[in-house]
Amino acid sequence: EAGVAQSPRYKIIEKRQSVAFWCNPISGHATLYWYQQILGQGPKLLIQFQNNGVVDDSQLPKDRFSAERLKGVDSTLKIQPAKLEDSAVYLCASSLDRGAYEQYFGPGTRLTVT
Amino acid sequence: GQQVMQIPQYQHVQEGEDFTTYCNSSTTLSNIQWYKQRPGGHPVFLIQLVKSGEVKKQKRLTFQFGEAKKNSSLHITATQTTDVGTYFCAGPYAGNNRKLIWGLGTSLAVNP
Repeated sequence: EAGVAQSPRYKIIEKRQSVAFWCNPISGHATLYWYQQILGQGPKLLIQFQNNGVVDDSQLPKDRFSAERLKGVDSTLKIQPAKLEDSAVYLCASSLDRGAYEQYFGPGTRLTVT
Repeated sequence: GQQVMQIPQYQHVQEGEDFTTYCNSSTTLSNIQWYKQRPGGHPVFLIQLVKSGEVKKQKRLTFQFGEAKKNSSLHITATQTTDVGTYFCAGPYAGNNRKLIWGLGTSLAVNP
């Protein structure tokens, strides 16, 4: 079974530029999550999708962050414009709609904003 | 709001010593999950505990869920260098059992 795929793995941009991250979850996983993880901290949920609908985006800075999950499969997360404090690892995870709801994470995208 | 706290934040041990990390929730949890994140890696699901007082073992790892379902612990017997990483506990939010509240994690370093 293929895992969660993410790209790019690394990205360096200047502040005020825009950036987009892509995620392909495990096949059949209805729930998709985007997390932001700052070094030394636990993952912080940005947005949660159930199929192609948003379940929770309460911690998404909507003035600069946006996300979509067209057709309930792939998802993209965009930041525009980026700030220095957005430097972090952006993790995508997915889970089944049953059982323990354990989350399977992708390798993440390490974003550096200079 | 709901919080999950973990202690200690860091732990250094000699290889062969035991290690324990503790997780405490501000609210009663329906379940608790544990994840491990290796340096430079991503979180990997280890286990879920559901029942009050539940104890589960995975080789040298022992997981416990408290009677009140507000605390949990992970104990590693005779640590090895492969145990290095950060261990996170996470519990579901009330009203959205697919959304997890994460602790800050306990970073384990093992000296060979």
